Amino acid sequence: DTAVSQTPKYLVTQMGNDKSIKCEQNLGHDTMYWYKQDSKKFLKIMFSYNNKELIINETVPNRFSPKSPDKAHLNLHINSLELGDSAVYFCASSQDDGTAFSGNTIYFGEGSWLTVV
Amino acid sequence: SQQGEEDPQALSIQEGENATMNCSYKTSINNLQWYRQNSGRGLVHLILIRSNEREKHSGRLRVTLDTSKKSSSLLITASRAADTASYFCAPGYTGGFKTIFGAGTRLFVKA
Repeated sequence: DTAVSQTPKYLVTQMGNDKSIKCEQNLGHDTMYWYKQDSKKFLKIMFSYNNKELIINETVPNRFSPKSPDKAHLNLHINSLELGDSAVYFCASSQDDGTAFSGNTIYFGEGSWLTVV
Repeated sequence: SQQGEEDPQALSIQEGENATMNCSYKTSINNLQWYRQNSGRGLVHLILIRSNEREKHSGRLRVTLDTSKKSSSLLITASRAADTASYFCAPGYTGGFKTIFGAGTRLFVKA
């Protein structure tokens, strides 16, 4: 079974559209994350949730809205997509409180390739 | 920014050779992890070294940590084509800081 699964894997959409990426983890972890990896391969944290509560909210446009219906799911909704949103979005989870990188292993999904045209 | 910075950006070697990549960071850490990312995949945890450790081994991997220089190195011995991937370090800062990864080192192992 895949530990952290996210869908869709590939998404091509037009500017101005709204899209969602779903993520689920079956590891029983309390914390989930969204990371963005740009074309230069920098992997930057966007959000972290601990037990459905938002812990980290980096400087991300408010067009990005995460939603955690339960601690095993963290979805990412993006409104009014722009060309610069094209990137790979990774969902991840770990067993910590989400505020600090405690050294617990972060488990990543396989990524969602978003292309905005 | 607080990400670890990997060096070199890219490294190309022949199969069987050793590969060394370095990571520098800015402030005090509790630990430091290394991750690997195969092309088109997510990151996979490789090894963790704690701040009170100087060296750690796992199979063909050897990690060193020098807290006085705020640097770590990852050595892959007897490299294989399957080791071709990007490698990222992730410092665990004592300040309770969120994890930010750098751009990684892209390793190419030629068969």
